[in-house]
Amino acid sequence: LAKTTQPISMDSYEGQEVNITCSHNNIATNDYITWYQQFPSQGPRFIIQGYKTKVTNEVASLFIPADRKSSTLSLPRVSLSDTAVYYCLVGSISGTYKYIFGTGTRLKVLA
Amino acid sequence: EPEVTQTPSHQVTQMGQEVILRCVPISNHLYFYWYRQILGQKVEFLVSFYNNEISEKSEIFDDQFSVERPDGSNFTLKIRSTKLEDSAMYFCASGPQIPGTGGFEQFFGPGTRLTVL
Repeated sequence: LAKTTQPISMDSYEGQEVNITCSHNNIATNDYITWYQQFPSQGPRFIIQGYKTKVTNEVASLFIPADRKSSTLSLPRVSLSDTAVYYCLVGSISGTYKYIFGTGTRLKVLA
Repeated sequence: EPEVTQTPSHQVTQMGQEVILRCVPISNHLYFYWYRQILGQKVEFLVSFYNNEISEKSEIFDDQFSVERPDGSNFTLKIRSTKLEDSAMYFCASGPQIPGTGGFEQFFGPGTRLTVL
């Protein structure tokens, strides 16, 4: 499974756009990139998933360059309630689809 | 919206006792998982379950752990003889993906906090 590297923490202000970049240099052809959000004492919650180029949903956008060695989660206009840990995960479409979590990025949104 | 549920939300037990953590995955999902998270640490994969058998397990998932899908709806994690270091939040997850059909997404339950005294 590809190892991921992301910043340990980030601070932002309400209303700003937040971009969290994840590095996954050893990503394999079959791997998808998935981002999860976790609030304290809760289970991780799926945000977005992509394979290449750009994916957008009602919550976030995911940008994946052509070489797929990194990806950027973009959260538009964050609010205080977006304060959480964000995990970048890389996993294959074959096998058991298990997730290997890293330490994630602790995002703190300030008023 | 369908969701994964887990019971109990908090379980306190004495060291050496057996515990069973229960999960009800989303009904049409095919893959089931257990993860754990020790306080302040990262989420760790324990085991995946597909087609009524374990498909993969981590080093953490030793002989003290077992999983079962006893009745087609519940998915349980049993720890036979709990140790102090088993204290953690245990998350059940389920995923819909049929192999080879594309990406995948896991839905996590709210967790069971296990405290071993």
